[in-house]
Amino acid sequence: DAGVTQSPTHLIKTRGQQVTLRCSPKSGHDTVSWYQQALGQGPQFIFQYYEEEERQRGNFPDRFSGHQFPNYSSELNVNALLLGDSALYLCASSLDVSGSYNEQFFGPGTRLTVL
Amino acid sequence: GENVEQHPSTLSVQEGDSAVIKCTYSDSASNYFPWYKQELGKRPQLIIDIRSNVGEKKDQRIAVTLNKTAKHFSLHITETQPEDSAVYFCAALFGNEKLTFGTGTRLTIIP
Repeated sequence: DAGVTQSPTHLIKTRGQQVTLRCSPKSGHDTVSWYQQALGQGPQFIFQYYEEEERQRGNFPDRFSGHQFPNYSSELNVNALLLGDSALYLCASSLDVSGSYNEQFFGPGTRLTVL
Repeated sequence: GENVEQHPSTLSVQEGDSAVIKCTYSDSASNYFPWYKQELGKRPQLIIDIRSNVGEKKDQRIAVTLNKTAKHFSLHITETQPEDSAVYFCAALFGNEKLTFGTGTRLTIIP
């Protein structure tokens, strides 16, 4: 049973470019959350996807967008990259249970460097 | 707004001693408080969590306490070992979907 997987592991882009990061949730999970973790900081919530829709969003600009597919996998897209977007991007999956909150399992992350 | 404060930012303890990390949160409606351990270059891993209907939870050498009135919760690690060295993050759930993390505590266990 595979846990949460992310690709690619590392990525180097230049300012102004666009990037797409991918996440496959843990088997049986239907909810995907994305976080940005800058060096020396805690993860910052970007958004969460459930039933192929963005359900909740953190304080990130519209340059950050996402998608969830019918198989529950998800993509994070960042347009017009800035130097400050350099960070570890973490995906976390969970199972949505009405009236309850379940543990989020984190993937290994994608290290994005913007030059 | 939604905010979680964590202290201290760094903590060094002698092997075998106890370590305590404290967090406060802003939203009294929060009802789920996990703690994550992150080793260098690795993903955050849940080590213990507590829900608002209990005041304390223990798992072997790790315990978490919650004071809902004061809006703070703490992680306690007893009989510390070198492998406990890592960065620890507290978090609080806001609005049933959004986890807000503290800024982390770098714990170093001195052999």
